Amino acid sequence: EVQLVESGGGLVQPGGSLRLSCAASGFTFTIYPMTWVRQAPGEGLEWVSSLSGSGGRTYYADSVKGRFTISRDNSQNTLYLQMNSLRAEDTAVYYCAKSGDSSSWFGRWFDPWGQGTRVTVSS
Amino acid sequence: DIQMTQSTSSLSASVGDRVTITCRASQSISTYLNWYQQKAGRAPKLLIYAASSLQSGVPSRFSGSGSGTDFTLTISSLQPEDFATYYCQQSSSPPLTFGGGTKVEIK
Repeated sequence: EVQLVESGGGLVQPGGSLRLSCAASGFTFTIYPMTWVRQAPGEGLEWVSSLSGSGGRTYYADSVKGRFTISRDNSQNTLYLQMNSLRAEDTAVYYCAKSGDSSSWFGRWFDPWGQGTRVTVSS
Repeated sequence: DIQMTQSTSSLSASVGDRVTITCRASQSISTYLNWYQQKAGRAPKLLIYAASSLQSGVPSRFSGSGSGTDFTLTISSLQPEDFATYYCQQSSSPPLTFGGGTKVEIK
């Protein structure tokens, strides 16, 4: 069974940093692109960043570009999101998701998703 | 960037109704369109990928259609467990944008 378990969320002050982790199991991690998606309280889904299976290609939403870094450790089957210079508007539940296929470097659809980890940016 | 628009933010329907949810892309995305269901407090779940392919384990009352810029998710006979919010998402090119969501509520 494919499982994704996020961790690392919490309360952080504006300007601070957090590193989210997503532990993957049940599939050959290195083959599949991985993605972070977030959801602000009461809002819809916002794609944040995607990473190729090898880790060599990345893409970021404009809202996080230059502040967030996506990475993966294929030896540990773990995806990361390093979040720096955090702002109030980064407050959200952050989900990691596995690409449903490996036909493109960024993944054509997301399945499954983890349970999410909550990030709150507030003083 | 490609913008995804779900023009109906919420709708009310009864058990047994046929429900149609629409999604429009700001430019052609071929059939690179996916649908997700999200229930309150839960992670999203993939229903349909590549516009019309039913994800394994998803009931056959769900179906998707469309290509280019206009897409539709249809629930042929709404069940109690289908009350949720539905999102479309384009995967033609990054950034991989979502629609704003359509909440299906009980009439």
